[in-house]
Amino acid sequence: AQTVTQSQPEMSVQEAETVTLSCTYDTSESNYYLFWYKQPPSRQMILVIRQEAYKQQNATENRFSVNFQKAAKSFSLKISDSQLGDTAMYFCAFMNTLYNFNKFYFGSGTKLNVKP
Amino acid sequence: NAGVTQTPKFRILKIGQSMTLQCTQDMNHNYMYWYRQDPGMGLKLIYYSVGAGITDKGEVPNGYNVSRSTTEDFPLRLELAAPSQTSVYFCASSYSSSSYNSPLHFGNGTRLTVT
Repeated sequence: AQTVTQSQPEMSVQEAETVTLSCTYDTSESNYYLFWYKQPPSRQMILVIRQEAYKQQNATENRFSVNFQKAAKSFSLKISDSQLGDTAMYFCAFMNTLYNFNKFYFGSGTKLNVKP
Repeated sequence: NAGVTQTPKFRILKIGQSMTLQCTQDMNHNYMYWYRQDPGMGLKLIYYSVGAGITDKGEVPNGYNVSRSTTEDFPLRLELAAPSQTSVYFCASSYSSSSYNSPLHFGNGTRLTVT
């Protein structure tokens, strides 16, 4: 079974600094998709960034980028120039392509606190 | 474009009561899902549907039921509420292709407390 592990329950960063959130996963598949979701205090789940496993190039969305290491099964999220609005829970998710539906596995989340 | 709309936002139930969480999406997604989120945990899949008339159990289906009579609507029914069902519930939808363009689109969640 696929598992997603986020080993950092909580992290803090100063405004304008850079922070990296870690995520590892376990799978025997070669083709899959990875996502990071942000959940601010409003509870809404917001897609931050996504990565296709067969693409070597790391995805980037403005201040958010990933470090995808397929052999190591690692998918970390880097937030540059942290802003107060980045304060949220961040969930790493793995999407399985083997089932008759898009099956997602979620990590337990990392609570990020951006300090002024 | 409203996306995924979930109601209610909050609800308190007494043990043994029943209720239905409503979910509707306007993106013409075939796949719809119900998740629960417990404190300190990731999301757990309760039920999912791959299209109108087709539903199946996820990881934690006990105590819940669903129906999918239309592409747009996917209500979740709680029968005989128990304290263990205290959680935040999310409805989500996605395109049916297994691809980069199939992330989950979430509703805003329902905080349910059973006392």
